[in-house]
Amino acid sequence: EIAMTQSPATLSVSPGERATLSCRANQSVDTYLAWYQQKPGQAPRLLIYGASTRATGVPARFSGSGSGTDFTLTISSLQSEDLAVYYCQQYDNWPPWTFGQGTKVEIK
Amino acid sequence: QVQLVESGGGIVQPGTSLTLSCATSGFTFSSYTLHWVRQAPGKGLEWVAIISFDASNKYYADSVKGRFTISRDSSKSTLYLQLNSLRADDTAVYFCAREGSQNTYGYKAFDYWGQGTLVTVSP
Repeated sequence: EIAMTQSPATLSVSPGERATLSCRANQSVDTYLAWYQQKPGQAPRLLIYGASTRATGVPARFSGSGSGTDFTLTISSLQSEDLAVYYCQQYDNWPPWTFGQGTKVEIK
Repeated sequence: QVQLVESGGGIVQPGTSLTLSCATSGFTFSSYTLHWVRQAPGKGLEWVAIISFDASNKYYADSVKGRFTISRDSSKSTLYLQLNSLRADDTAVYFCAREGSQNTYGYKAFDYWGQGTLVTVSP
């Protein structure tokens, strides 16, 4: 089973500033890596798939990068509506499909 | 538009059973692989089960294997999860999610999710 580790657990960022979230796999997942955004009380929403492709309707301030074991989600200019928990997920080696434990983004 | 709507959650006692449903619309049901993912209160996401687009392949998380059964009914465009021998640690919001590619399974992210249904297992 592939383990996904996200850091930091909590990130506090001022509006307009850049937020950088990390995700690491304990073995290579190539680019079979997705990022999801979960706002309080809501279902997860797909942001990024294939490590770097934005899903339909996702604002351009969200970008993903990386391959193999190390991945990054960047929010270039944080907006108040970006308050959420962000999860990475690998879909290269399954079952199981595995998620990171999440990074909570707070507005400073 | 694509919609997935879960139902069937509730408060149940340990050792009992429950069946969750996920009614779908807005896409060709029989062409898409579907998953169940759960989230315990205040915790992260845990994948539970998958059923391929043609129902020929099913996989389960070790934590639910032998107790949960995933199924689908194309005539009703509905996904199911039967939960047996429920335990306190099965308490969670259960989401259904669609894998984002037609007539295949496995190597795609989950592009649409339902809003979830809460299952509480308590004496």
